[in-house]
Amino acid sequence: EVQLVESGGGVVRPGGSLRLSCAASGFTFADYGMSWVRQVPGKGLEWVSGTNWIGGYSDYAESVKGRFSISRDNAKNSLYLQMNSLRAEDAAFYYCVRGYADLYYFDSWGQGTLVTVSS
Amino acid sequence: EIVLTQSPGTLSLSPGERATLSCRASQSVRTYYLAWYQQKPGQAPRLLIYHASSRATGIPDRFSGSGSGTDFTLTISRLEPEDAAVYYCQQYGSSPLFSFGPGTKVDIK
Repeated sequence: EVQLVESGGGVVRPGGSLRLSCAASGFTFADYGMSWVRQVPGKGLEWVSGTNWIGGYSDYAESVKGRFSISRDNAKNSLYLQMNSLRAEDAAFYYCVRGYADLYYFDSWGQGTLVTVSS
Repeated sequence: EIVLTQSPGTLSLSPGERATLSCRASQSVRTYYLAWYQQKPGQAPRLLIYHASSRATGIPDRFSGSGSGTDFTLTISRLEPEDAAVYYCQQYGSSPLFSFGPGTKVDIK
């Protein structure tokens, strides 16, 4: 069974930084592109960033470009999202999802980790 | 940038009825690049349909997808109480690489 477990969410002040992690299991992690999708509670879904199977190529939503950085460690079956210069509008649930420009959709989702940006 | 619009915003139907959900794109989307998701309250989204009409693993056959170009449809043939959820369409394209529609909420009377 595919499992994606996010961690690292929490409360951070505007301008602060946070690093999210996603532990993957139940599949060959290195075979898949991976992405992060976020959702403000009660609102819609927004793709944030994605990376290919080896981490050699990545892309970002315009809203986070230059502030967020995605990375992966295939030896540890883990995906990361480094979030810098956080803004109030970055507050959301962040989901780790399987899929990127290899699948063109997201076939497995974690349960999400909540990021709150507040002074 | 491709913008997805979903209608109706909310659909209220009785068990056993047929639900038809629309997703319209501002530009043509390749059918290979269109997917649908279901999100129940308090849960993460779940993939229902990919490549516009292929059901994901474990999805009941009462869910079906169709369409091409700028108009896509998700149909739930016979609503069950557990189908109460928000349904999102999603496309893969360019800038942004992925985008989602605003969602259609399905209420079961």
